[in-house]
Amino acid sequence: NAGVMQNPRHLVRRRGQEARLRCSPMKGHSHVYWYRQLPEEGLKFMVYLQKENIIDESGMPKERFSAEFPKEGPSILRIQQVVRGDSAAYFCASSPNGLLASGGELFFGEGSRLTVL
Amino acid sequence: SQQGEEDPQALSIQEGENATMNCSYKTSINNLQWYRQNSGRGLVHLILIRSNEREKHSGRLRVTLDTSKKSSSLLITASRAADTASYFCATIEGYNTDKLIFGTGTRLQVFP
Repeated sequence: NAGVMQNPRHLVRRRGQEARLRCSPMKGHSHVYWYRQLPEEGLKFMVYLQKENIIDESGMPKERFSAEFPKEGPSILRIQQVVRGDSAAYFCASSPNGLLASGGELFFGEGSRLTVL
Repeated sequence: SQQGEEDPQALSIQEGENATMNCSYKTSINNLQWYRQNSGRGLVHLILIRSNEREKHSGRLRVTLDTSKKSSSLLITASRAADTASYFCATIEGYNTDKLIFGTGTRLQVFP
């Protein structure tokens, strides 16, 4: 009964390259959330997706960042033309349904740590 | 936006002592959750308290919620070295969203 799986756990990129982070939610979960965490800081919401739909991307930078959650396969967070400021830990979380307001919790992966040289 | 602000930012105690962390938030909430994060790891859900509840217990954890003051506290009793971690409160802004917003966190260090 695997939890939320993220890969890679560590990724090093040079400025200008692309970073792709993958997230497989828990079995039976169809809602995925991406968060970014800078060192010694809290988590910042980026985007919330259901299968094939972006529900809320209010935390995503307007440029270079995109996310998808296709019908088949993991959710992907894509960062194009990375800059040093993109260095952070990126966490994915999932829930069986999107009804957090009714009392659901999020299940987190171990994160992907991006370092931009 | 930063919904929750934790206080203190860092806390150091000895094993066996109690640890109290506070969280303040800004908007109306349906529930408030507390999560724990060990260094270099993902977050783990600890406990959820609904807006119509004032106190909740789970093992050595005790959470209180004061909606009039828009604040919550997490108490860990009889702390252990293994409790060393960062603790975050999290809330949902309003009632028509599924965006969970996390506070800035309290870094707890428990010395053996």
